Amino acid sequence: ELKVEQNPLFLSMQEGKNYTIYCNYSTTSDRLYWYRQDPGKSLESLFVLLSNGAVKQEGRLMASLDTKARLSTLHITAAVHDLSATYFCAVDTPYGGTASKLTFGTGTRLQVTL
Amino acid sequence: SQTIHQWPATLVQPVGSPLSLECTVEGTSNPNLYWYRQAAGRGLQLLFYSVGIGQISSEVPQNLSASRPQDRQFILSSKKLLLSDSGFYLCAWRRDTEAFFGQGTRLTVV
Repeated sequence: ELKVEQNPLFLSMQEGKNYTIYCNYSTTSDRLYWYRQDPGKSLESLFVLLSNGAVKQEGRLMASLDTKARLSTLHITAAVHDLSATYFCAVDTPYGGTASKLTFGTGTRLQVTL
Repeated sequence: SQTIHQWPATLVQPVGSPLSLECTVEGTSNPNLYWYRQAAGRGLQLLFYSVGIGQISSEVPQNLSASRPQDRQFILSSKKLLLSDSGFYLCAWRRDTEAFFGQGTRLTVV
């Protein structure tokens, strides 16, 4: 059974600081997704990483994928309060025929304080 | 552009009552559709998956069922709700390498 583990589960950080969220998974996959979820809301797509070594950046967030290590990271640079949310990684794996499914990590709740 | 609609947004239902949640997709044809559930403070669990009309795959055995009566319509149902069915239900569809989620239905079983 595929396991997707995120750490930390909870992260409290000050504005202006840098930090990294880690996503480890237990099976071979070259597709990984990062989502943001605000309280009571749906998931907002942040990044789609499609190959080993992929790196994507949007604003203060940067995601990378190492398929050999089965590890993805979400790096936060100079955090601001607006980044407070829960962040999920999701691994794409085959699911019968040509279809695939996303298996989600447990999520990392990020709280950025002044 | 493609959009995904989910309703209702919130629902409070008594134990033992039936359930019907609906998801529709616009702007695409023959999408792969998914139902996920998120328990309070937890990650997302895949419940059902569909590649086409009448084709449903169940990820875990449970008190729920799904149907796909039309190409762009996906319905989640239950004949008798349990307290453990409470959660945030999300419909999703896939396009190439991307996955989009509906706004979700928050179900509280009382």
